[in-house]
Amino acid sequence: QKEVEQNSGPLSVPEGAIASLNCTYSDRGSQSFFWYRQYSGKSPELIMFIYSNGDKEDGRFTAQLNKASQYVSLLIRDSQPSDSATYLCAVRGLNTDKLIFGTGTRLQVFP
Amino acid sequence: EAGVAQSPRYKIIEKRQSVAFWCNPISGHATLYWYQQILGQGPKLLIQFQNNGVVDDSQLPKDRFSAERLKGVDSTLKIQPAKLEDSAVYLCASSLIRGSTYNEQFFGPGTRLTVL
Repeated sequence: QKEVEQNSGPLSVPEGAIASLNCTYSDRGSQSFFWYRQYSGKSPELIMFIYSNGDKEDGRFTAQLNKASQYVSLLIRDSQPSDSATYLCAVRGLNTDKLIFGTGTRLQVFP
Repeated sequence: EAGVAQSPRYKIIEKRQSVAFWCNPISGHATLYWYQQILGQGPKLLIQFQNNGVVDDSQLPKDRFSAERLKGVDSTLKIQPAKLEDSAVYLCASSLIRGSTYNEQFFGPGTRLTVL
């Protein structure tokens, strides 16, 4: 079983729709959860982080965490073509800075 | 504020050759990371430095990979000899605060290595 799993996609959504990206993790001791966006040929950039159960909103982005189900998601409201990228889920355990990344989900937003 | 700098941006070598990558972290960032990202996969941590000491190198193939961070600032990652499966993007990242719940890692542009 992979430590952090994501559907590789592509996930295709029309402009203005809500994009829902999902991630599951295997280590129950995981403490912090990060969503990175990576444009093709570019390096990852942090979009959001979450460490408490529930929702965390930042602009058009909402991260959701359910530790009991070992599940974290990212919702992108009013999706724009500029949101087209690969979204990487990363998980950090207790007492470590090490990030375990999933393989990423490729999102395509079409006009 | 300048970001993480890496060089070279691209490198093509033949298998069994050696190669070195350089990274300069964001000023003041004590923690530095080297990641390997193979096409279609997420980044995988190779080594983490805190100042000039190694914190985690559990996934570094030590028979061929080496890294150092002299003086606790710049870092170099070396591969010798390179194999075909080393073809990847090598990402350097740095962070300010170690061990906190929230510890943002800032990534450099990466070095794309192709081994022929």
